[in-house]
Amino acid sequence: KAGVTQTPRYLIKTRGQQVTLSCSPISGHRSVSWYQQTPGQGLQFLFEYFSETQRNKGNFPGRFSGRQFSNSRSEMNVSTLELGDSALYLCASSSTQGSTYEQYFGPGTRLTVT
Amino acid sequence: DAKTTQPPSMDCAEGRAANLPCNHSTISGNEYVYWYRQIHSQGPQYIIHGLKNNETNEMASLIITEDRKSSTLILPHATLRDTAVYYCIVRIPGANSKLTFGKGITLSVRP
Repeated sequence: KAGVTQTPRYLIKTRGQQVTLSCSPISGHRSVSWYQQTPGQGLQFLFEYFSETQRNKGNFPGRFSGRQFSNSRSEMNVSTLELGDSALYLCASSSTQGSTYEQYFGPGTRLTVT
Repeated sequence: DAKTTQPPSMDCAEGRAANLPCNHSTISGNEYVYWYRQIHSQGPQYIIHGLKNNETNEMASLIITEDRKSSTLILPHATLRDTAVYYCIVRIPGANSKLTFGKGITLSVRP
């Protein structure tokens, strides 16, 4: 079974621009979560989507948003980019069948804001 | 805030067992212990999880103390490719169940 895929893998943007990142979960997984990883703050939870609905959100400003499509693919958007948004953005998918919801991560998108 | 405590780093010799400790003294009855690892610049990789019984899979073994206040991840025969940051996380599985990562423990496997 194919793993979680994220596109693009690398991205360079300028302050003030916006960016959209994409995530395709493992087939059959309906929950998608997004995380940001920076050297200073480590891995931090952004939000989770299930059945096209956001059901959990981390402590990030409104510039960070996301959505999920009917095929469970998800996108996250960051508007008005700041230098501090430079990070590795990770997507994880989880099966909601069974009881333990382990999450499987993609390789991430490395965003550099200049 | 992360609810687990791990030493910042440890090393072991290739081919030997690596025993990675984790303290979770405030764990509640319905929280599971999960272990993930992250090899440099890659996405975290799920390793194993458990509630109160010891667990084993093809990657590792998880030993949870009887009082559930601590656990040990065991990599039975460490290889150089096991060099990574290992995260111990406690959470209640289910809806609205995010992973809260701490700083993890950096395992260095030496030849």
